[in-house]
This record gives sequence, C-alpha cells and structure tokens, in this order.
Amino acid sequence: KNEVEQSPQNLTAQEGEFITINCSYSVGISALHWLQQHPGGGIVSLFMLSSGKKKHGRLIATINIQEKHSSLHITASHPRDSAVYICAVSISYQLIWGAGTKLIIKP
Amino acid sequence: GAGVSQTPSNKVTEKGKYVELRCDPISGHTALYWYRQSLGQGPEFLIYFQGTGAADDSGLPNDRFFAVRPEGSVSTLKIQRTERGDSAVYLCASSPGLVGTGELFFGEGSRLTVL
Repeated sequence: KNEVEQSPQNLTAQEGEFITINCSYSVGISALHWLQQHPGGGIVSLFMLSSGKKKHGRLIATINIQEKHSSLHITASHPRDSAVYICAVSISYQLIWGAGTKLIIKP
Repeated sequence: GAGVSQTPSNKVTEKGKYVELRCDPISGHTALYWYRQSLGQGPEFLIYFQGTGAADDSGLPNDRFFAVRPEGSVSTLKIQRTERGDSAVYLCASSPGLVGTGELFFGEGSRLTVL
C-alpha cells in the first residue's frame, strides 16, 4: 500500500462542475501539499496545509489530521483547470508523492 | 529573480557526453531539491541540500551523477558519461526551510535529451 493514495486517478468533467480530488495518507506528517502540473509544464504549488482549510480563488483545500485525509475542491471548473493535481506529504525534509489525478475539463 | 530559475531549459547531447544543469533558487531559501521526471511519471527524488551540504543524496542513481551547492544558493547537477536512460526533465525546487514548514517552489525544469 502506498503511503499517499489519491483518488480518482483520472477525472473528466464538464465546464462549471464542482470538482473534488481526495488524498489519504498513512504516516505522520508535518504538512500536506497540493501541486498542479499542466501538460509539458512545470510544477506549481497550490497549497501547503497542516490543519484546517485554505482557499485561493476557486480552489479550496481541506485537511483532517485525525483521519489522515485531505481534499482539493475546484468550484466553477474551467478548461484551463485541466492538469495533473498531485498530493504530497512532508515528513521532515522528505516529500512523499501521490500518483496524481489527471483532470480534464471539457468546454 | 522572483522564482526558481533553471538553465538550460532544453539540452540535447550525445551519449557519453558531460552535462551540467543549473538551479538558481529563490533568494534566502536554504533548502534545495533536485528531482527527475520521466514522461508520464511522477517526480523522482535525487538529492536534497540544506545550505551548502548535501543532507540526503540517496536518490542519485549512480556515481555518474553529482550535485554541488558551494555557496548555499546556486546548485549545479552534473552528469558524466550520459546515457539515453538519463533523458528526462530535471526539476529543481527550493523552500525557506524544511519542506514541512515552508512552501515548495519549483523551477520550470531542464529537459535533457541524450541521443
């Protein structure tokens, strides 16, 4: 079992839909990161969470430390949100990566 | 600069040649990471610097790979006797401190193609 599990692996939705990507982890962490990578592009950090909830524009990230679970939500999704979304957890200096969720938003 | 800068953005070389990839992190960031990403795969950890020292180089695949950060800022990843299997995007990331305490910032990557 991987230490960081993401679901779904692939997600296709229509423009405007509310999107949820989930991340579960099995180890004690110092923080959890949500990252975005567009096809052929670099990696961009969206959020770093150690508790609670953060919001940036149409993106919302939550974390439940007791349940070892985090979710990334996208409201009013748009085709430009199409990318791979990666959950990664940090333990000291180490970063343990999830496999990523490939999101496609159709117009 | 405002972000993590990596040069060159693209490098094409022949098998057996020597290659250097440079990473200029955000000013003041003490933590610096090198990752390698092959097509369709997630990033693979190579090495982590805290300041000038390589705190963890366990991800370097073999002794053809070496990285330095002599003054605690710019880092250079060096690959000797390149092989076709070294072809990948090499990503650099920096953080103000331990990655659990500070956000991680990535460069755009250096795409290496070994012919």
